[in-house]
Amino acid sequence: GAGVSQSPSNKVTEKGKDVELRCDPISGHTALYWYRQSLGQGLEFLIYFQGNSAPDKSGLPSDRFSAERTGGSVSTLTIQRTQQEDSAVYLCASSLTSFNSPLHFGNGTRLTVT
Amino acid sequence: DQQVKQNSPSLSVQEGRISILNCDYTNSMFDYFLWYKKYPAEGPTFLISISSIKDKNEDGRFTVFLNKSAKHLSLHIVPSQPGDSAVYFCAVQGAQKLVFGQGTRLTINP
Repeated sequence: GAGVSQSPSNKVTEKGKDVELRCDPISGHTALYWYRQSLGQGLEFLIYFQGNSAPDKSGLPSDRFSAERTGGSVSTLTIQRTQQEDSAVYLCASSLTSFNSPLHFGNGTRLTVT
Repeated sequence: DQQVKQNSPSLSVQEGRISILNCDYTNSMFDYFLWYKKYPAEGPTFLISISSIKDKNEDGRFTVFLNKSAKHLSLHIVPSQPGDSAVYFCAVQGAQKLVFGQGTRLTINP
């Protein structure tokens, strides 16, 4: 497929467990972003990768959140010791460059922490 | 402290009429502006963009207007169609990442 792919599409986990969310960006896109959308809220920036540069982690809400991007392609967002307030839709996006280039989003992973 | 505001959480428009969605931003250094459309259970889809050197960009039924002095962005959809019913987000580019508004739910009534 030509679009951004995210897995799983849905994840239900118990409070305190760790989760990993995966993103496959569009081939050739150098920039990759993670956002989340909580119920009734807008899109909240989490983290941004551009090529081999150090990621912009300024949006990560706590040190329980981390992300990596291997080989400049696939990215994994990890949430440790999940809390109920982590419940949200986690959206990954990629863009051709980081300047004046539209982001293309995946369909997201809906995370529910019980 | 919201850098991007969409003050109308919802808007209802009759099919065939014009839909106008509005967005205000705070930082005059933003230089690239976008509109996204989102259906339930899907990711946002890019609609149209405009750079700060222009004040209007048109693509079919969609036109984006930028008023830099007022720090105001708007999206016009004409004529509105039932398939346009969705949540619309404006976004501005600052420091290489997009900052999104809270969204406006547009409903097109037949």
